[in-house]
Amino acid sequence: ILNVEQSPQSLHVQEGDSTNFTCSFPSSNFYALHWYRWETAKSPEALFVMTLNGDEKKKGRISATLNTKEGYSYLYIKGSQPEDSATYLCASRKGEMIKAAGNKLTFGGGTRVLVKP
Amino acid sequence: NAGVMQNPRHLVRRRGQEARLRCSPMKGHSHVYWYRQLPEEGLKFMVYLQKENIIDESGMPKERFSAEFPKEGPSILRIQQVVRGDSAAYFCASSPVGGSSYEQYFGPGTRLTVT
Repeated sequence: ILNVEQSPQSLHVQEGDSTNFTCSFPSSNFYALHWYRWETAKSPEALFVMTLNGDEKKKGRISATLNTKEGYSYLYIKGSQPEDSATYLCASRKGEMIKAAGNKLTFGGGTRVLVKP
Repeated sequence: NAGVMQNPRHLVRRRGQEARLRCSPMKGHSHVYWYRQLPEEGLKFMVYLQKENIIDESGMPKERFSAEFPKEGPSILRIQQVVRGDSAAYFCASSPVGGSSYEQYFGPGTRLTVT
């Protein structure tokens, strides 16, 4: 994997159902993986920053896991609600030799989630 | 604590004019990042600045684009002689320090339309 990729691009979920989607990223020289939630016309909202292989983070009904060896992260939404409708972005950060260069985020294309009442 | 502020939110420029986009980071944040979202594309890194220093400009187009983050005041992304292809949403993010686990907090973006 050379770039950050997210799948699926979009998904429709029935209210109350749980769902999950994937972020794939280059595993070499990995430093951190960020998840954002982005509603139209608003700022991307930071959800998680994950750095350790096997890491799991949770925020309310949303949780994420990280596999740095194989280069993927899953985001889970439990019991989806209409207010969960948004685009979910992941972004990877590399551990560059020059520390400052490792601060830029490389984003995937996002997974657009629409929760139907 | 106010979030990252960007202004204007919408900017219309004719081809050949200059565009100035402003970003005020969160209070206490001294690191600023600019990202661009072209139509039908994802967010792409442009430049990373600390106060009075450009740290990484590897994502900046070579010509017409410049950025600064002065000791006082907001960070400015400047686009000279705009062309239609510059039409995009420009997002600014800030962080307190540049370490690996620190979040980047995003502003609402400036939508630039070049006519």
